[in-house]
Amino acid sequence: DAGVIQSPRHEVTEMGQEVTLRCKPISGHNSLFWYRQTMMRGLELLIYFNNNVPIDDSGMPEDRFSAKMPNASFSTLKIQPSEPRDSAVYFCASSPWTEYNRNYGYTFGSGTRLTVV
Amino acid sequence: LAKTTQPISMDSYEGQEVNITCSHNNIATNDYITWYQQFPSQGPRFIIQGYKTKVTNEVASLFIPADRKSSTLSLPRVSLSDTAVYYCLVGDPNQAGTALIFGKGTTLSVSS
Repeated sequence: DAGVIQSPRHEVTEMGQEVTLRCKPISGHNSLFWYRQTMMRGLELLIYFNNNVPIDDSGMPEDRFSAKMPNASFSTLKIQPSEPRDSAVYFCASSPWTEYNRNYGYTFGSGTRLTVV
Repeated sequence: LAKTTQPISMDSYEGQEVNITCSHNNIATNDYITWYQQFPSQGPRFIIQGYKTKVTNEVASLFIPADRKSSTLSLPRVSLSDTAVYYCLVGDPNQAGTALIFGKGTTLSVSS
């Protein structure tokens, strides 16, 4: 099992540019989460999907952020246009929550460190 | 999701037992208590989850008193590699449409 795979690991971009972060969840996991971590705000939940459907996007900071999950094996988080305050580590996590397997055992990816200059 | 309160930081030495206590006074009947560990430059990692009394696995033990308003994560004989941030979270995993909300966590520093 390769775990949750995120790409890229590091991204440096200029203010105003579009940034796309990618995530491949663990096969068979039907819940996917995007978190953002900074020193000031800690770990923030941005959005999460269940069976490819967005369930709660109330954590998405503003319209510049969007997330998609076109199929069970891929999700993207896009920032357009990017700003310096978006600099953070972005984590993707997946979980096998089902009616028959209910727990909070999320598996996190290694994260994407985004720097907007 | 119930709010939790835990110490911001703790210090320990190698070989000691470390107990991190988390307060969750407003825990609901169906809520479980979950602990995560995060090393620098890595994503959080699930450690243990419990509902009541005691739960033990190869990494840690979780003690939950009868009133469930607090819980204690116990790490036996810590080593330098246990230096990390530990998060206590409370929520109902049986409720679809909920996700874990992380607080600030407890930064554990283990010295030799």
